[in-house]
Amino acid sequence: DVQMTQSPSSLSASVGDRVTITCRASQPISDFLNWYQQRPGKGPRLLIYAASTLLPGVPARFSGTGSGTDFTLTISGLQSEDFATYYCQESSTSRSFGQGTKVEIK
Amino acid sequence: QVQLQESGPGVVKPSETLSLTCTVSGGSTSDHHWSWIRQSPGKGLEWIGYLYNGGSTDYNASLKGRVTMSVDTARNHFTLKLRSVTAADTAVYFCAREGVRLSYDGADEVYYYYLDVWGKGTAVTVSS
Repeated sequence: DVQMTQSPSSLSASVGDRVTITCRASQPISDFLNWYQQRPGKGPRLLIYAASTLLPGVPARFSGTGSGTDFTLTISGLQSEDFATYYCQESSTSRSFGQGTKVEIK
Repeated sequence: QVQLQESGPGVVKPSETLSLTCTVSGGSTSDHHWSWIRQSPGKGLEWIGYLYNGGSTDYNASLKGRVTMSVDTARNHFTLKLRSVTAADTAVYFCAREGVRLSYDGADEVYYYYLDVWGKGTAVTVSS
């Protein structure tokens, strides 16, 4: 099975900051990579699929890049509602998730 | 708009079988793939498995042998059964729809799958 590793596991940032989260696959997965946001006490919300395609309604400050084994999620201009945990998920085979990155207020 | 609702007992005894149902409204279980995901307290998301193509299944290798999923199209719901539970199976269990987008790479069809509709989750505690 494909293993997904995110880094960092947590980060502190301020409103307006640019934040980058990295996700690495244990083997090449082309662009079969999704990103989710989970706010405390809530279920996950899909943000991006196919590594870089934003779901309609997702703010343009979110962006995703990458292919093969290395992927990034960037939030350009962090807003208060963006403080949450972010997960990557591969969709080429086993659908496994990364361990999550918690974005906290500095 | 499709909505999902998990239901089932909140407490299961060790060594017994956890059984959960996900009821689909605003859509049909005949369409799409359907997934189960869980989240242990304070931990990340763990994909349990999914139903596809009307009843085929694929499961997380770490849970194979203990998990069974099935779909009831007449009742428009799908179910999860996890056998021989232990305290490590205590978690919030989510059901989700796996959406799909068809793309083309030259003449080749490429299918992108993603979990685009989620239930609110149901908490299950394994305890005697």
